Amino acid sequence: KAGVTQTPRYLIKTRGQQVTLSCSPISGHRSVSWYQQTPGQGLQFLFEYFSETQRNKGNFPGRFSGRQFSNSRSEMNVSTLELGDSALYLCASSLGDRATTEAFFGQGTRLTVV
Amino acid sequence: SQQGEEDPQALSIQEGENATMNCSYKTSINNLQWYRQNSGRGLVHLILIRSNEREKHSGRLRVTLDTSKKSSSLLITASRAADTASYFCATGLIKAAGNKLTFGGGTRVLVKP
Repeated sequence: KAGVTQTPRYLIKTRGQQVTLSCSPISGHRSVSWYQQTPGQGLQFLFEYFSETQRNKGNFPGRFSGRQFSNSRSEMNVSTLELGDSALYLCASSLGDRATTEAFFGQGTRLTVV
Repeated sequence: SQQGEEDPQALSIQEGENATMNCSYKTSINNLQWYRQNSGRGLVHLILIRSNEREKHSGRLRVTLDTSKKSSSLLITASRAADTASYFCATGLIKAAGNKLTFGGGTRVLVKP
């Protein structure tokens, strides 16, 4: 069974640009969550999608957005990039509801904003 | 704010020794999960313990949960150099809908050969 796949693995962008990251969950998983990891703030929840609907949102500005497609694949978009957006972005897929089952993470996308 | 706080922040041990790390949290949970992360890569799920469980084992891992103290511990027995990684606890909250996990700050474990 294939794991969670995130693309691309690495990205370098310039301030002011926008970026789109992709996540393909484990087959059969309908929940996809996104997290940002930085040395200063640790792992922070961005948002969760379930059956194409955003179910939860963390405390991030509106520049961070996402969507989920009918095949459960998800994308997140960051517009008007800032230096502070440099981070490892992790995607997790889950089978169950209400954090009652394991979440499986992808290898992440390392975003560097210069 | 982070739900979980982990202790210690860093741990250095010799191969073969046991490693113990603790996690405390603030509000009622559905379950608590432990993850491992190697050098800025993805998180690997280690073990999930439900709020009605007190102890769980998986190979060389032993997790305990004390809901009255709002704390959990992860014990790695007979550590190996390959166990060198950061370990995170994550909680799924009872009052939260969906699969949102709240992570602790992590414990960096160094196992010296």
